Amino acid sequence: DTAVSQTPKYLVTQMGNDKSIKCEQNLGHDTMYWYKQDSKKFLKIMFSYNNKELIINETVPNRFSPKSPDKAHLNLHINSLELGDSAVYFCASSPTSLSTDTQYFGPGTRLTVL
Amino acid sequence: DQQVKQNSPSLSVQEGRISILNCDYTNSMFDYFLWYKKYPAEGPTFLISISSIKDKNEDGRFTVFLNKSAKHLSLHIVPSQPGDSAVYFCAARGAQKLVFGQGTRLTINP
Repeated sequence: DTAVSQTPKYLVTQMGNDKSIKCEQNLGHDTMYWYKQDSKKFLKIMFSYNNKELIINETVPNRFSPKSPDKAHLNLHINSLELGDSAVYFCASSPTSLSTDTQYFGPGTRLTVL
Repeated sequence: DQQVKQNSPSLSVQEGRISILNCDYTNSMFDYFLWYKKYPAEGPTFLISISSIKDKNEDGRFTVFLNKSAKHLSLHIVPSQPGDSAVYFCAARGAQKLVFGQGTRLTINP
């Protein structure tokens, strides 16, 4: 039973396209996150949702739009993809929005923009 | 402007010896620190944490040390085992979010 799952695992696409990455957690957690692991390997938070409400929105281009249809799902839609969007994107969840809560990560989605 | 840094991209240790992974931070407002472990093709998993009011936390073979004056934390693994081969990320809590370092790849040699 996968706790936090992401689809797809790999995504290769052309510049200018629009793509989505889906994330689901079956842990009953209230809070979900999207992180980006950049070329220098730092994991950086992009967004956080608590019970479908946006609570963290880092300085991310507005081409990135998260959507949480329910608290078990947090999808990431990216418009007009650029070369610099190539990265590994990780979804995570935690029981609450307290940052001392352990975060549980999905396996990552490797996005390559050509 | 990276507030959490792991300056060693990789570390190789012999099985049975001690592994020491280091992490430096710049923000004195960070009050909680964590280590995550990541295997290939998997997401990071939580390993151990420490509050800023402590200087040491131990869990089995894993011990985290915090030196607030130096803004430095370290993870000690003893004895190191082959299954410890992974990428280790340190993270710090600030402004209700976690700030991660870039990871150190630990390889345990038999």
